[in-house]
Amino acid sequence: QSALTQPASVSGSPGQSITISCIGTSSDVGSYNLVSWYQQNPDKAPKLMIYEGSKRPSGVSNRFSGSKSGNTASLTISGLQAEDEADYYCCSYAGTNTVVFGGGTKLTVL
Amino acid sequence: EVQLVESGGGLVQPGGSLRLSCAASGFTFSSYAMSWVRQAPGKGLEWVSVIGGDAITTFYADSLKGRFTISRDHSKNTLYLQMNSLRAEDTAVYYCAKTKWTGYYFFDSWGQGTLVTVSS
Repeated sequence: QSALTQPASVSGSPGQSITISCIGTSSDVGSYNLVSWYQQNPDKAPKLMIYEGSKRPSGVSNRFSGSKSGNTASLTISGLQAEDEADYYCCSYAGTNTVVFGGGTKLTVL
Repeated sequence: EVQLVESGGGLVQPGGSLRLSCAASGFTFSSYAMSWVRQAPGKGLEWVSVIGGDAITTFYADSLKGRFTISRDHSKNTLYLQMNSLRAEDTAVYYCAKTKWTGYYFFDSWGQGTLVTVSS
């Protein structure tokens, strides 16, 4: 399975909204609404932020939202805060009981 | 509170073997699938393997080519990863993760990871 494609970096100012894209194929993102997103701070474990494309686990701010169009999934963070600065990874079901991650996006809050 | 604590990492020579463990607490271990996900230094996440709550159903990333074996012991609430024929490219932090698998495919809690270094 090939990794999903994410931008290496994105940035935004406090209060702004940013969107991180996650480009897959018709074999993964495009075929299933089973994309999850993870936040990872330096030297820390990943944290689940979005699952099944757009659902938020308990405790995750509603500033985080997920969506999908065709073969591209997106994570939007509104009202950007300094604490949102981290690496973000998407992950999609890829069929035959496998999943594939994106390469990760470093979010910088200016 | 879910707690996942990995152990067993370390330095191993190419071609060697290592067994990782993940001690779980704070949830009914046997009711959930469990996975291993790794992250090479400075790189992204890579899914390695998953095992069902039945301790029988297992799936692996194609890239592993049969070198790794996942297992679990419900009497000890512990997940394992047996890694054989290790290569330099297996160097990574290995995370265990509580998993929602069939029909869901996401990882809802993660351990802090254990570092495996394959080098002579």
